[in-house]
Amino acid sequence: KAGVTQTPRYLIKTRGQQVTLSCSPISGHRSVSWYQQTPGQGLQFLFEYFSETQRNKGNFPGRFSGRQFSNSRSEMNVSTLELGDSALYLCASSLEGTAKNIQYFGAGTRLSVL
Amino acid sequence: AQRVTQPEKLLSVFKGAPVELKCNYSYSGSPELFWYVQYSRQRLQLLLRHISRESIKGFTADLNKGETSFHLKKPFAQEEDSAMYYCALRYTGNQFYFGTGTSLTVIP
Repeated sequence: KAGVTQTPRYLIKTRGQQVTLSCSPISGHRSVSWYQQTPGQGLQFLFEYFSETQRNKGNFPGRFSGRQFSNSRSEMNVSTLELGDSALYLCASSLEGTAKNIQYFGAGTRLSVL
Repeated sequence: AQRVTQPEKLLSVFKGAPVELKCNYSYSGSPELFWYVQYSRQRLQLLLRHISRESIKGFTADLNKGETSFHLKKPFAQEEDSAMYYCALRYTGNQFYFGTGTSLTVIP
């Protein structure tokens, strides 16, 4: 099976712009979660989508949003970019939820905001 | 609040020495804990989870509810164990809280 695919791998944007990141989960996985990874804060949960519905949301401002399509692919959008949004954004997919649920991570999209 | 603490950012041990990576958690419910590992230039991947009570690559971790800890241990460190290790707590669904990670270096 192909792993979790995130595109693009790298992005450079300027303050005030908006950006869209894409995540294709492992085939058959219906849950997609997004994380922000920074050196100071580590991995922080952004949100989770399951069957096109946002199921959980972390403590991030409304500038961060996402969606999931019927094929389980997910996109994350950040509007009005700030310098502090520079980070590695990770996507993880998993089968729905038993106690044995395992998250599989993508390689990430590295966003640099100038 | 649900939190995961990894007190050591950096840990160095000699090859063949025992290693312990500390993880403490704060959670009001019944915790479900995991260890994830990220080797150099590789993706973050699951190492082990407490419900499985398994040993992976010689690593074990025991959930101690009294001390609210889930320390990762290996009796004899190998060079290939050098990596970044993250302790994680499942909060609900697939929402995880991660610790800030411990970078382990095994000195030959």
